[in-house]
Amino acid sequence: KAGVTQTPRYLIKTRGQQVTLSCSPISGHRSVSWYQQTPGQGLQFLFEYFSETQRNKGNFPGRFSGRQFSNSRSEMNVSTLELGDSALYLCASSLGGTGLGGYTFGSGTRLTVV
Amino acid sequence: DQQVKQNSPSLSVQEGRISILNCDYTNSMFDYFLWYKKYPAEGPTFLISISSIKDKNEDGRFTVFLNKSAKHLSLHIVPSQPGDSAVYFCASSYAGGTSYGKLTFGQGTILTVHP
Repeated sequence: KAGVTQTPRYLIKTRGQQVTLSCSPISGHRSVSWYQQTPGQGLQFLFEYFSETQRNKGNFPGRFSGRQFSNSRSEMNVSTLELGDSALYLCASSLGGTGLGGYTFGSGTRLTVV
Repeated sequence: DQQVKQNSPSLSVQEGRISILNCDYTNSMFDYFLWYKKYPAEGPTFLISISSIKDKNEDGRFTVFLNKSAKHLSLHIVPSQPGDSAVYFCASSYAGGTSYGKLTFGQGTILTVHP
C-alpha cells in the first residue's frame, strides 16, 4: 500500500515568488491536512480538506491557500513568499479526518526562501 | 498559547532501560492523544494513541498513560533500543467540527538510546 507522497522534496524560492506543493494521499483516504514545521514554532496546522472542501483552517495569513481535487490529491500554495516561510511542509491523510491514530504523514517538502 | 507542552527537549537512556517521555496539555476539550516518532528528513510516524475514556494503552514495547485530572500523559518504552533514537511528539485532538484534520503538537523530545 503506497504511503502519502509529497512533491517536490526540496524547493528553493526567492522572496516575493509563489510556490505550489503537492500531496497525494493514501488510496481511499479523503481527508488531507497540511502542517508547517519550523524550529521556533514546531508543527502547526495550516488547513484540512475533505471531499474537495476546506473544513478547517489554522491561524495563517491568507497567503497560504490550498485545494483538493476529486481524486483527493491536494495542493497548497504560498504567494508572495517571505523569508519566514522557510520550513518543512507536511501533509497527512486519513479516512475521515477525525479519530485515533488515523493520520499518516508524508515525508514533507523542505522549502527554503532566499 | 502552547496547548500541548513537552518540557524536556531531550532524553538520554541506556539500551535495555525504560524511556519515559512526558507531555502536558491545557485544553480540557482534548479527548484524543497520540504519540508520533520522527526521524530527520522524514514525516512523523504514528506510534500509539489513547482516548480520554482510558488511562492506559499498550502496544508491544510502547505504553501510553493518561492522567486526565493532571492533564498529563506519558509514553513508556520498555526495553529501549538504539533504533528508538528519534524525536518524539505528543499530539492532541478532540471530536467536533472545529478540529477536523487538526492535531495540536508539542515541541518534541529528542530521545537518544545509547548501546
